[in-house]
Amino acid sequence: KAGVTQTPRYLIKTRGQQVTLSCSPISGHRSVSWYQQTPGQGLQFLFEYFSETQRNKGNFPGRFSGRQFSNSRSEMNVSTLELGDSALYLCASSFEPFSGNTIYFGEGSWLTVV
Amino acid sequence: TQLLEQSPQFLSIQEGENLTVYCNSSSVFSSLQWYRQEPGEGPVLLVTVVTGGEVKKLKRLTFQFGDARKDSSLHITAAQPGDTGLYLCAGAWGTDKLIFGTGTRLQVFP
Repeated sequence: KAGVTQTPRYLIKTRGQQVTLSCSPISGHRSVSWYQQTPGQGLQFLFEYFSETQRNKGNFPGRFSGRQFSNSRSEMNVSTLELGDSALYLCASSFEPFSGNTIYFGEGSWLTVV
Repeated sequence: TQLLEQSPQFLSIQEGENLTVYCNSSSVFSSLQWYRQEPGEGPVLLVTVVTGGEVKKLKRLTFQFGDARKDSSLHITAAQPGDTGLYLCAGAWGTDKLIFGTGTRLQVFP
């Protein structure tokens, strides 16, 4: 079956702009979580959605937001971009909210802020 | 705040050597997972350990969960170039979010 699909794969934005990243989970998976990966901070949890509701949120400013649609697809948005937002943004999906079960990651969206 | 420390941060070895990667925390986890991430890809789950003292083997990889469920180790026997990648441990508390470790970047030379 198709894996987790993230779009776009690469993008370059200017400071102050906003960006929207998309994630299509594995068919049948209802839980989607987002992570930010940087060389300095590693992989950090952003938020998790299940059945269109945010279940959990990491320690990120309000400029980072997300949503999930009825078909389980998810988007995350970053407003007023800063240079430090340059990172690999990873989406992961699972059938149910994470409970020690397997989550499947997409290949990520590389965001560069200049 | 980084709750999971991995060591070493970087490891560069020759094919055929053995190695161990450590994942340590002051927190108790309900479960701990190990992932491998290759360049340009997302992390891929290798194993989940749940019980304190648990040992799991995956071919040449041996994973151990500490008795107190605060630490874990990954041992690779006779490393191969295909083992090259970023190894990440991740700890979970029940159904809450997954916290990833700082990562160990392994390079195996032929």
